[in-house]
Amino acid sequence: EVHLVETGGGLIQPGGSLRLSCAASGFTVSNYYMSWVRQAPGKGLEWVSIIYSGGGGITYYADSVKGRFTISRDNSKNTLYLQMNTLRAEDTAVYYCAREDPAVETYYMDVWGKGTTVTVSS
Amino acid sequence: DIQMTQSPSSLSASVGDRVTITCRASLSTNIYLNWYQQKPGKAPKLLIHGASSLQSGVPSRFSGSGSGTDFTLTISNLQPEDFATYYCQQSYATPYTFGQGTNLEIK
Repeated sequence: EVHLVETGGGLIQPGGSLRLSCAASGFTVSNYYMSWVRQAPGKGLEWVSIIYSGGGGITYYADSVKGRFTISRDNSKNTLYLQMNTLRAEDTAVYYCAREDPAVETYYMDVWGKGTTVTVSS
Repeated sequence: DIQMTQSPSSLSASVGDRVTITCRASLSTNIYLNWYQQKPGKAPKLLIHGASSLQSGVPSRFSGSGSGTDFTLTISNLQPEDFATYYCQQSYATPYTFGQGTNLEIK
């Protein structure tokens, strides 16, 4: 069965750093596009970043996190990461990882983790 | 960036009703439009992909239509478990963007 489990969230002071992990089971992370999506308290969904499949691992970011967040994966651990630096109060959210199958005609996030909560506050 | 606008923002309906939620894109997204359902404290769940394709395991009372800039999600014969928040999302171009959500409440 296919699963994604996010870990690494917590309370962090403004300006601090945190690394989120997303462990996958039932499929190979490097064969799929993998995204991070976040949801601030009481707000809607916001796409954060994506890493494409294959060795190149092309990445894209939302403007709100560009230059501060880095998406990566460890193929040996079948795990996706989100390194978050220079955190701001507005980064407070539940962070979800999700997969997309690059082999389908249109792109969609069909498997989601349960999320991990990041709170940025002094 | 492609802006996604959903309407209405909230909707009250009764069990057995038929409801329609619309999503408009600021630029054409072809059929790269997906619909998700989210319940409080839970992760989003994919309902419809490619504007009109029903995700495996999703009840047939959910349907989607549209292409280009205008899309609709229709739920027929509303069931108690359908009361949730619904989001559209374009996957035509990064940055991916979501609509602001439609909160479907029990009347």
